[in-house]
Amino acid sequence: KNEVEQSPQNLTAQEGEFITINCSYSVGISALHWLQQHPGGGIVSLFMLSSGKKKHGRLIATINIQEKHSSLHITASHPRDSAVYICAPLTGNQFYFGTGTSLTVIP
Amino acid sequence: DADVTQTPRNRITKTGKRIMLECSQTKGHDRMYWYRQDPGLGLRLIYYSFDVKDINKGEISDGYSVSRQAQAKFSLSLESAIPNQTALYFCATSDRLALDEQFFGPGTRLTVL
Repeated sequence: KNEVEQSPQNLTAQEGEFITINCSYSVGISALHWLQQHPGGGIVSLFMLSSGKKKHGRLIATINIQEKHSSLHITASHPRDSAVYICAPLTGNQFYFGTGTSLTVIP
Repeated sequence: DADVTQTPRNRITKTGKRIMLECSQTKGHDRMYWYRQDPGLGLRLIYYSFDVKDINKGEISDGYSVSRQAQAKFSLSLESAIPNQTALYFCATSDRLALDEQFFGPGTRLTVL
C-alpha cells in the first residue's frame, strides 16, 4: 500500500495568487495522476506524469521520483479554480488516492 | 454525450436489499474500475477489470461483486446492502498505453438506510 499525503488540506487564496499543492508518497511508483474534483462531485483528469514537468494552460505539475514528491502549481488563480485537487500515485496496477486539497479562490 | 456514464445517479435503499450500479463507456478502453469515496478518505478501489475475462479484487472488495458484461460495461453489485456502504461510487476507465490515466463517470450517490 502506498501512503499518500497532500498538503495543505485546505487553502484559501486571493484571485491572481500563485498556488502550490504538494503530494508525497511512501512507495516507488511508475506514474502519478493529478485530478480535480468539482463541488458537484465530478472528477476530471488534469495530468498524468512519470517524470519531469508538464504544463497545461495555467496549471503546471512536477514530479521528483527519487524524492517521492510531486507538486501542482496554479498560476494567476481564478475563482473557477475552486475545487478539490487530488493526487494519485500509481503503484503496480493500482492508484492510491490522497484525501485531496480543498482550494477556494476569492475574487 | 459523456464518455463514461453511470446509472443510477442517486439511490436510496434499505439494509439487506440487493443493489446494482451500472457503468458504460464509449472510450473504447479495455480497463475499467469501481471506486468508492467517503468523506475525509481518498478514493478506494473496490474491483478492477483489464478485459472482459479479467476481474480483480481491489483494496475493499468485501461485500461487493462485479460483472464485466462487455468491453463497454462494468457493473457493481451489493448483494445485501448495509449502512456503512453509504458512499459516493465512481466508475473509471483507462488505456494502458496512456499510463492508465483515469477517466471518471459522474458518480452514484448511494444511501443505505
